[in-house]
Amino acid sequence: DAGVIQSPRHEVTEMGQEVTLRCKPISGHDYLFWYRQTMMRGLELLIYFNNNVPIDDSGMPEDRFSAKMPNASFSTLKIQPSEPRDSAVYFCASSPSGGSGNTIYFGEGSWLTVV
Amino acid sequence: AQSVTQLGSHVSVSEGALVLLRCNYSSSVPPYLFWYVQYPNQGLQLLLKYTTGATLVKGINGFEAEFKKSETSFHLTKPSAHMSDAAEYFCAVSFTGANSKLTFGKGITLSVRP
Repeated sequence: DAGVIQSPRHEVTEMGQEVTLRCKPISGHDYLFWYRQTMMRGLELLIYFNNNVPIDDSGMPEDRFSAKMPNASFSTLKIQPSEPRDSAVYFCASSPSGGSGNTIYFGEGSWLTVV
Repeated sequence: AQSVTQLGSHVSVSEGALVLLRCNYSSSVPPYLFWYVQYPNQGLQLLLKYTTGATLVKGINGFEAEFKKSETSFHLTKPSAHMSDAAEYFCAVSFTGANSKLTFGKGITLSVRP
């Protein structure tokens, strides 16, 4: 079975440009998560969805960040405008329904560098 | 609020030696506890988890962890380290409730010396 698929794997962009990261969760999973990983702050949960509905976006750092899930098989995380401090690895993850003891399955990450 | 503490940022062991990675959590309700591993340039994958039942949990690649409520701990062990175990290890906690968030510790980097 295919796991969580993220694209692009690597992106280098200039400050001020718009960045769009994409994610396809595992089929049948009801929860989708966006995490950010940096050396300084570790793994941070940015936002998560249940059945395509955003449940908690308290981790989104500021209005420059937005996330959508138009259907069960696709989500985007957008940064506009991007800044050098947004450089990080962004992980998408998904989980089946049924409670918080479920395993979260991670994609391989999108490595973003903003110069 | 729930939290996870992983003391230290780096552990180095010799190949064949015991691996012990410590994790303590803070919680006022019974937790669900997880260990994830991240190999270089990859995403995180589940090593093992405790939800209910037996407190000694066995995972992949010979790892195991024991939930000790009295010590609020969930330390990860492996009797004999292998070079391929070199990676970053994350402890995480969540709680009952459909929308309980998974909170990660800061992670520990494990190095294995030949």
